[in-house]
Amino acid sequence: GAGVSQSPRYKVTKRGQDVALRCDPISGHVSLYWYRQALGQGPEFLTYFNYEAQQDKSGLPNDRFSAERPEGSISTLTIQRTEQRDSAMYRCASSPDSNYGYTFGSGTRLTVV
Amino acid sequence: QQQVKQSPQSLIVQKGGISIINCAYENTAFDYFPWYQQFPGKGPALLIAIRPDVSEKKEGRFTISFNKSAKQFSLHIMDSQPGDSATYFCAASKRTGGYNKLIFGAGTRLAVHP
Repeated sequence: GAGVSQSPRYKVTKRGQDVALRCDPISGHVSLYWYRQALGQGPEFLTYFNYEAQQDKSGLPNDRFSAERPEGSISTLTIQRTEQRDSAMYRCASSPDSNYGYTFGSGTRLTVV
Repeated sequence: QQQVKQSPQSLIVQKGGISIINCAYENTAFDYFPWYQQFPGKGPALLIAIRPDVSEKKEGRFTISFNKSAKQFSLHIMDSQPGDSATYFCAASKRTGGYNKLIFGAGTRLAVHP
């Protein structure tokens, strides 16, 4: 596609439920990043993939958060047993390699009620 | 630990004026300093970036000034236009291990009045 596509655009879930957020990066982009952006704040790094390999997951807040990119293209960020503090905008970004800037998707707005 | 501090939090500029946004970083190992522009409902978009081996980079009306000794860099928007009204984020990274893990500032909301 022309840009980074994320779905769903909005997700409202009840506390304790699991959610899966999807990212479809720009075709051919090797690097894929997940960030979380709180209202009025800058994006905060969660995890990084190089093709299918998750090379850095240091930003994942706890073990309820996980991510995968099994075929080196589409990625899924999963949050288990959601809590209200998980409410935020979750953004995916991709780039051809580390020498280039990111292209961010429009994000998934997650609200946990 | 906040590694990139951005100021001001908000900025109002008249059309045609100069907008200046400042950032300071702590980690001297950072080697890449981009600025992102974000419009409401959209993801941040790369605007301009600089590496520490140069002190200034200009692209159209946008200029980054970089002061390595002071660990500061700034974005200057010349001849500011209402269409520049957006939130601007500075960021920094140390590109090791083949990837680019950005640390973002908190953002500056710019409003350019006609």
